[in-house]
Amino acid sequence: DARVTQTPRHKVTEMGQEVTMRCQPILGHNTVFWYRQTMMQGLELLAYFRNRAPLDDSGMPKDRFSAEMPDATLATLKIQPSEPRDSAVYFCASVSSYEQYFGPGTRLTVT
Amino acid sequence: GENVEQHPSTLSVQEGDSAVIKCTYSDSASNYFPWYKQELGKRPQLIIDIRSNVGEKKDQRIAVTLNKTAKHFSLHITETQPEDSAVYFCAASNVFQKLVFGTGTRLLVSP
Repeated sequence: DARVTQTPRHKVTEMGQEVTMRCQPILGHNTVFWYRQTMMQGLELLAYFRNRAPLDDSGMPKDRFSAEMPDATLATLKIQPSEPRDSAVYFCASVSSYEQYFGPGTRLTVT
Repeated sequence: GENVEQHPSTLSVQEGDSAVIKCTYSDSASNYFPWYKQELGKRPQLIIDIRSNVGEKKDQRIAVTLNKTAKHFSLHITETQPEDSAVYFCAASNVFQKLVFGTGTRLLVSP
């Protein structure tokens, strides 16, 4: 049963530190999405890639967030510098045809 | 861009009752409408989806209906069980594979 994996599952960091989150999509899925989930904002799309090329990152604060897909098995989301308002659960999802398969999420707490 | 509204935000039912969650969308070009279930602390999981060329789809106790003219779609759960308790998200896609999510409905099924 293939699944999307994410690391780390939990991250606590201090304001100003760099945070890198990683996602391994399901093998053969060529589209990867990054979402942020908070109680107040629900599920927000941050960015997505198809065939490793960024298609849309309009949901991402450009001054501190960056997303890359260095190869077909790895997508990364980086925050530098982190702020307390970045505290959330970050999900990635990979897509086969229409269905999006979500990873388990990275719960980020910035103090 | 697409906008998805979801109601109600919370829904409490007794075990065995039916539950209905409704969503409206704004972009008439949207053609794919999935529903996700998210249990506490877990990833969203697809439970049923419908495409714009179909008016209704059923899977055991779950059904989804779509009214393209009115631009709304609904999730129906019959014979609810305590394990149906979760947050349910609707979504719509008007660009291939990119989803816009509703704000979620917290369903509580009491024994």
